Amino acid sequence: AQSVAQPEDQVNVAEGNPLTVKCTYSVSGNPYLFWYVQYPNRGLQFLLKYITGDNLVKGSYGFEAEFNKSQTSFHLKKPSALVSDSALYFCAVRPLNTGGFKTIFGAGTRLFVKA
Amino acid sequence: NAGVMQNPRHLVRRRGQEARLRCSPMKGHSHVYWYRQLPEEGLKFMVYLQKENIIDESGMPKERFSAEFPKEGPSILRIQQVVRGDSAAYFCASSPGTDRNSPLHFGNGTRLTVT
Repeated sequence: AQSVAQPEDQVNVAEGNPLTVKCTYSVSGNPYLFWYVQYPNRGLQFLLKYITGDNLVKGSYGFEAEFNKSQTSFHLKKPSALVSDSALYFCAVRPLNTGGFKTIFGAGTRLFVKA
Repeated sequence: NAGVMQNPRHLVRRRGQEARLRCSPMKGHSHVYWYRQLPEEGLKFMVYLQKENIIDESGMPKERFSAEFPKEGPSILRIQQVVRGDSAAYFCASSPGTDRNSPLHFGNGTRLTVT
């Protein structure tokens, strides 16, 4: 079965410190990979995506993500966290063998940045 | 450019009533997706539609739930004879449909409460 795992329900980090939010996936082939962020009472917002090429992709608000094919991981990172980064983060995959555009989401990781 | 519009934002229904959730995709987007979000359970795929066609409904419960995306007008997610377990946030997303690496654009959701 195709799935996305975000092993941490919550990540706590002090402002100014680097952060990592982990994601691994289990799909056949080479899927497209995405990160989204959700603020309270809002829909998800796109942060960044990996399609092909350089394993390190950069996105909005200073976030970046590292793709590792052998570990089937796509961890979200930021060198210096801000209190305003506190939100719910979702990793997502779009398998390419389904012929369509279906996107599968992880369960989400709540990031809490303390001042 | 207006984003994905969902209405109502909040919907309260008694058990046994019908709930109708509406979604207008972004201008120029021909693909619509419905997701359900339960606390601590992440985002669950329900259905993916193009104009007048259901492409993938593998996440839809077999009974009481239906979705449509007519030639004219918004996409509708319909839940008949609602039960308390249907209480959740329902999110609609859209994409252009021309490029499989396009991210999804989400609305702000409809929060359904069944009393």
